[in-house]
Amino acid sequence: ETGVTQSPTHLIKTRGQQVTLRCSSQSGHNTVSWYQQALGQGPQFIFQYYREEENGRGNFPPRFSGLQFPNYSSELNVNALELDDSALYLCASTPGGRPSTGELFFGEGSRLTVL
Amino acid sequence: GESVGLHLPTLSVQEGDNSIINCAYSNSASDYFIWYKQESGKGPQFIIDIRSNMDKRQGQRVTVLLNKTVKHLSLQIAATQPGDSAVYFCAENGGSNYKLTFGKGTLLTVNP
Repeated sequence: ETGVTQSPTHLIKTRGQQVTLRCSSQSGHNTVSWYQQALGQGPQFIFQYYREEENGRGNFPPRFSGLQFPNYSSELNVNALELDDSALYLCASTPGGRPSTGELFFGEGSRLTVL
Repeated sequence: GESVGLHLPTLSVQEGDNSIINCAYSNSASDYFIWYKQESGKGPQFIIDIRSNMDKRQGQRVTVLLNKTVKHLSLQIAATQPGDSAVYFCAENGGSNYKLTFGKGTLLTVNP
């Protein structure tokens, strides 16, 4: 158990809809990263939040957006859903007072299916 | 539709044997490397990491070897157990301080 919790665990949406995924980071972790994992692939970096600001972004279009709240929890929003957005969305938190690559503590993920 | 795992490297070993999972990385700017284990239906779980100023690091039953000359990383698991069956991912930081780039993964199956 990493202490990172995500909700919902599974959801089904239709093309064109919008979705919000939620993540509570491990206590004391102020950096949260989001990854997309397509079936049979490794996780792909979407973006990272540190102290409520986006700290870095991967190769994802602007319809992928996020938020981090003062309690360090985070949301991932995806607008205008496409079939290829079907994936496991993973949230990971990082200990430490500043962003750095180190051990990421992953949640169990939110499985999104777009029909 | 596409079958899961068709393009995923696989390794099958007998319980008690040693396992070696290999990974080639591409970014010479990477100075941090990490191995994750992912069981079916779960998030990735940290196994062991190594920084570029080292070429070997040992944990409990696991050893990571780093060869920067050929950009190669390996994970050795001693006395493999059925509970080790999972997909194993290597990841590198590409010199970044905020993201990891993951490989495709290797499916390890341990036969009792």
